[in-house]
Amino acid sequence: GENVEQHPSTLSVQEGDSAVIKCTYSDSASNYFPWYKQELGKRPQLIIDIRSNVGEKKDQRIAVTLNKTAKHFSLHITETQPEDSAVYFCAATGGYQKVTFGTGTKLQVIP
Amino acid sequence: GAGVSQTPSNKVTEKGKYVELRCDPISGHTALYWYRQSLGQGPEFLIYFQGTGAADDSGLPNDRFFAVRPEGSVSTLKIQRTERGDSAVYLCASSFGQGAYEQYFGPGTRLTVT
Repeated sequence: GENVEQHPSTLSVQEGDSAVIKCTYSDSASNYFPWYKQELGKRPQLIIDIRSNVGEKKDQRIAVTLNKTAKHFSLHITETQPEDSAVYFCAATGGYQKVTFGTGTKLQVIP
Repeated sequence: GAGVSQTPSNKVTEKGKYVELRCDPISGHTALYWYRQSLGQGPEFLIYFQGTGAADDSGLPNDRFFAVRPEGSVSTLKIQRTERGDSAVYLCASSFGQGAYEQYFGPGTRLTVT
């Protein structure tokens, strides 16, 4: 089955700096890669996603890149703000839409 | 419209008891997913429904876990002979249908087995 690894597990950045979270996946059949933000005690919320036919996608301060050959994808947050502090999960979706999540990155933005 | 809802929000039960967790997906969403999330971990896939049928139940940990979706809308996750290791947040998500990947999560049910 699919295996998704996510790094780092924790990340502290100064407000205004950039944050990068990286994930690798194992199943070459995976074709959809969402990123979720989860605040403490709340449900995961989709912040950006990318499909396998695209190499990069950007939405304001958030961007995601995908390298299908190397089977890795990354989340980039620029000009970080304290409200970006949360746990971020990457995920890979393969056949029958089975979603495998990474183990999460706890991002702390220091004012 | 209304989002995904789950009831109860919290459930405390004794070891060995039977529990049912309910999920109400977004109206019109044909795909429904159950996940289990332990503290400090990502959501772990349990089962996926497309309409009334379970398209993939490979994530159910053992035969104490069962889920139904008899009319293709509301789903119930059933856990028999609960164990302390079943304690977790159980998340439900729905999406528009096969090929539409974005999933919308419910608030979860926090299950505590004492």
